[in-house]
Amino acid sequence: DGGITQSPKYLFRKEGQNVTLSCEQNLNHDAMYWYRQDPGQGLRLIYYSQIVNDFQKGDIAEGYSVSREKKESFPLTVTSAQKNPTAFYLCASSGGTGNTIYFGEGSWLTVV
Amino acid sequence: LAKTTQPISMDSYEGQEVNITCSHNNIATNDYITWYQQFPSQGPRFIIQGYKTKVTNEVASLFIPADRKSSTLSLPRVSLSDTAVYYCLVGVPGLSGGYQKVTFGTGTKLQVIP
Repeated sequence: DGGITQSPKYLFRKEGQNVTLSCEQNLNHDAMYWYRQDPGQGLRLIYYSQIVNDFQKGDIAEGYSVSREKKESFPLTVTSAQKNPTAFYLCASSGGTGNTIYFGEGSWLTVV
Repeated sequence: LAKTTQPISMDSYEGQEVNITCSHNNIATNDYITWYQQFPSQGPRFIIQGYKTKVTNEVASLFIPADRKSSTLSLPRVSLSDTAVYYCLVGVPGLSGGYQKVTFGTGTKLQVIP
């Protein structure tokens, strides 16, 4: 089954802890993205990566970190420096005609 | 990337055709127009993409006038399950603005009424 897989779907974190969200794609896309979505709001770009071993900050990168060691994988770490981490996180990749963006199913992170 | 403007919300009765328009006055020559559908707690799902004129697939049609400064997503005979947020995205990641940075607007919340 082709697509983008995010895990876990639901994650609870204690304040002061770092957590890592997994994102794997088997679409052979070069570019990958992480977005944050707060309830009732649009999508905001956290980080993006055009190619392996390279990534760039998006609009709200503070308190987050990423790595891109493999083409298929783009994990996101939410660090303790992120003041309001409770949100819905979406991973995406792009390719094909118009470099179309495709999304995973998302991960809910809640800080308790 | 081209800035887009969509209505914040729309209501429609079941069985009607729904048209959602997106304005993108500063669309660039290479830009594609892509529409997504998002249900609560799910990732946006690709609906349709076009460059000019009309594109149709099994779920929707996309109308793009000659000047390409707007586009209209048409959903035929909507049902309750079409209640969702619809996003218009204009651009091509990696080409638009010379860098790979894609931003979404707030979308249009479509409510289908029985």
